[in-house]
Amino acid sequence: DQQVKQNSPSLSVQEGRISILNCDYTNSMFDYFLWYKKYPAEGPTFLISISSIKDKNEDGRFTVFLNKSAKHLSLHIVPSQPGDSAVYFCAATPRGGANNLFFGTGTRLTVIP
Amino acid sequence: NAGVTQTPKFRILKIGQSMTLQCTQDMNHNYMYWYRQDPGMGLKLIYYSVGAGITDKGEVPNGYNVSRSTTEDFPLRLELAAPSQTSVYFCASSLTPTSSGGTQYFGPGTRLLVL
Repeated sequence: DQQVKQNSPSLSVQEGRISILNCDYTNSMFDYFLWYKKYPAEGPTFLISISSIKDKNEDGRFTVFLNKSAKHLSLHIVPSQPGDSAVYFCAATPRGGANNLFFGTGTRLTVIP
Repeated sequence: NAGVTQTPKFRILKIGQSMTLQCTQDMNHNYMYWYRQDPGMGLKLIYYSVGAGITDKGEVPNGYNVSRSTTEDFPLRLELAAPSQTSVYFCASSLTPTSSGGTQYFGPGTRLLVL
């Protein structure tokens, strides 16, 4: 049962434009949400996170939005750069001290120069 | 500062063989994790540890064992390899629990093929 879903396997965007990656979740106990970026043959690297008490978190070109009522979050990358081409994973963890991090299936972003 | 290192990078096993995937971190992190990633899927937690001597099951622990005798090392043991264990295995560590905002740092992964 996939508790974190990324319904778009791939996304192509022109350099300089905005990239929007979407993620939906089903577990209302999820309290903390993260985005990881993964290049081929490497491990995932942390990108940005958001707590459930916030609805927006910004870090440079990256902004994550959380809509708790819709159980939906999105990652905005502005402006997109060719180096952003990678697979992006959405992940979530429940409150209560558990260490389980539930990952989505990933979205492959290609930024076209 | 090497971060999280994993060995080997790639291994082919025959059904029924056993092996240990090694993971070492040099960041003095208490929390360590093992994930597997099957093709087209997200990472799934196999086991985790909150400190030396303490381990617990994750989402998909069957067929695996772990131990944590030191802060630095967290090996993953496959006793009787099965084709269903063909996957890419990632080790990660964090200073604090993820549920408290701790960032997990991942190793480069071990690709395992069971034939």
